[in-house]
Amino acid sequence: QVTLRESGPALVKPTQTLTLTCTFSGFSLSTSGMCVNWIRQPPGKALEWLARIDWDDDKYYTTSLKTRLTISKDTSKNQVVLTMTNMDPVDTATYYCARQPGIAAVGGEFDYWGQGTLVTVSS
Amino acid sequence: SYELTQPPSVSVSPGQTASITCSGHKLGDKYACWYQQKPGQSPVLVIYQNSKRPSGIPERFSGSNSGNTATLTISGTQAMDEADYYCQAWDSSTCVFGTGTKVTVL
Repeated sequence: QVTLRESGPALVKPTQTLTLTCTFSGFSLSTSGMCVNWIRQPPGKALEWLARIDWDDDKYYTTSLKTRLTISKDTSKNQVVLTMTNMDPVDTATYYCARQPGIAAVGGEFDYWGQGTLVTVSS
Repeated sequence: SYELTQPPSVSVSPGQTASITCSGHKLGDKYACWYQQKPGQSPVLVIYQNSKRPSGIPERFSGSNSGNTATLTISGTQAMDEADYYCQAWDSSTCVFGTGTKVTVL
């Protein structure tokens, strides 16, 4: 049974750094082809992809936020961590992590999602 | 940057067919997938690799992808299908989501 769960602060102040943890079970990020992604969704708006980390530790980021994002993994703990620096009220959103069981060349779909965590940026 | 465009809304009567389009440059050369998202819930994968249904997704959901357009079709739409739908594809190493379509079952 595959599960993912996001955790982190519900409220951060402008200019602070956000650290979110995705803790998963039911699969291994050591498996060839396996990836974990972070996606966010501002209230009432569309989904926005943020970052991806692969089984071989390759990392990819959305261009618009590349300078602010860092993704990492701890395979032994089954965790993926996303940090976002210099938070702003426009970063207020629900943040999701999702499993991607194969590279884009074979589909690249997200088959399991966490429940999401709402992060509000306000002073 | 690559963009995927969807109609903001689609209305359908119960039992009828709803079609949701997703347009992007040479989208047919990529794999497209679709997610359903109900209010307050996480997205759920309903179509992957253009036309495949994950286990547990009803047969009334189908997909196609050709040219510049991917299409999600809901046949015999039910009230429970009322939700937001998003397409998604990869452009090189960047994931792109569509703008989203709200399906209303009248």
